[in-house]
Amino acid sequence: QSALIQPASVSGSLGQSITLSCTGTSRDIGDYEYVSWYQQYPGRAPKLIISEVYNRPPGVSTRFSGSKSGNTASLNIFGLRIEDEADYHCISYRVNVGLVFGAGTKLTVL
Amino acid sequence: EVHLLESGGGFVQSGGSQRLSCAASGFMFRNYAINWIRQAPGKGLEWVSGISGTGTETFYADSLRGRFTISRDNFEDTVFLQMHSLTSDDTAVYYCAKERESSSRGAFDSWGPGTLVTVSS
Repeated sequence: QSALIQPASVSGSLGQSITLSCTGTSRDIGDYEYVSWYQQYPGRAPKLIISEVYNRPPGVSTRFSGSKSGNTASLNIFGLRIEDEADYHCISYRVNVGLVFGAGTKLTVL
Repeated sequence: EVHLLESGGGFVQSGGSQRLSCAASGFMFRNYAINWIRQAPGKGLEWVSGISGTGTETFYADSLRGRFTISRDNFEDTVFLQMHSLTSDDTAVYYCAKERESSSRGAFDSWGPGTLVTVSS
């Protein structure tokens, strides 16, 4: 069982805005600002889209944003496009453990 | 341009050992931590191990500590992952990834294409 909890699948319509969740504990998301999000297409390496909860690396679309409340981090995607259909993974630092991932969410764009 | 390339994957017998390499170019290699992350077929990502830029600090997932050893050669710009006592649970694509900055903890801004390790019984 993964250390962070992500829904297995989420779907949204073209142009819609959606939120993907990543739930941890006070030992990771709740107490640290070390949450990152990755986008992964089948057969490809993951791509960093959000780091340190809120930061968007250069070149990443402004349609992606990150946030956190309590033990849950969120990835917000505005104005869904076909190319957003992918797997999304969250990762956090956890004290005395290191880095922990969620199992990933498969996003389907309808 | 940053470039990472893993090698050393392939088929290995259960109980055997394998050594993976990650060759880097396009950045000041010694200034950045490198991590290994793996992905079993059809599964999510799993953090495996990390090593600081100088190589003096190493980190491991608890479940793998003792079987896996990470090291680096800052003259050859290469990171290694030595794996022992492999089981079918270790079958995965193994990625190496560069940390965005020294204190970024989990923010990997460059990844290699991965190398597949298949452990057969």
